[in-house]
Amino acid sequence: DGGITQSPKYLFRKEGQNVTLSCEQNLNHDAMYWYRQDPGQGLRLIYYSQIVNDFQKGDIAEGYSVSREKKESFPLTVTSAQKNPTAFYLCASSPWAGGSWAQYFGPGTRLLVL
Amino acid sequence: AQKITQTQPGMFVQEKEAVTLDCTYDTSDPSYGLFWYKQPSSGEMIFLIYQGSYDQQNATEGRYSLNFQKARKSANLVISASQLGDSAMYFCAMRETNFGNEKLTFGTGTRLTIIP
Repeated sequence: DGGITQSPKYLFRKEGQNVTLSCEQNLNHDAMYWYRQDPGQGLRLIYYSQIVNDFQKGDIAEGYSVSREKKESFPLTVTSAQKNPTAFYLCASSPWAGGSWAQYFGPGTRLLVL
Repeated sequence: AQKITQTQPGMFVQEKEAVTLDCTYDTSDPSYGLFWYKQPSSGEMIFLIYQGSYDQQNATEGRYSLNFQKARKSANLVISASQLGDSAMYFCAMRETNFGNEKLTFGTGTRLTIIP
């Protein structure tokens, strides 16, 4: 089945530790996105990529990094510089950025700080 | 100013009744798109419906329709004949194209509970 997978479902981070969240899609979509959701809030854009080897910062990129070496993969690293990383992280993809194309989401990763 | 405003934090609706979820938006971009997503308790965001700023007709997808009033900057979601499975958070979102940089901005959501 085509879709977006995120792993792990739950992730625990210790103080000062970098952690990487995985996002893979087999939909052959060009554009991929990372969002953060805090309790009672909507989604906020962290990073997005419209094409391999290129990505742009969203509204809350500080403390995060990404890479896009393959079309199907867009991992997100939460660095130790992100002081409040506890949140629900959602990855999305779209056939390409813009127009009437919707973004389709993965099941999400919940990150908790120990 | 908020780009997307959803003024109903929670709603309770009797099963089989129609429900309208409110969404107003603010943009100076002449070309934009409006989306509605459903988020069940599992957390996954499910795309429901899309309306483009130049679309003349209101969008419909099965039991979902979008009441688009451009002059009022309003894009309300209407769910007809509500079902128990409709209980979830609902988010309105807007895509603007600002100098080629795509941005999708979400509202804070409405929690819909369908009562049997």
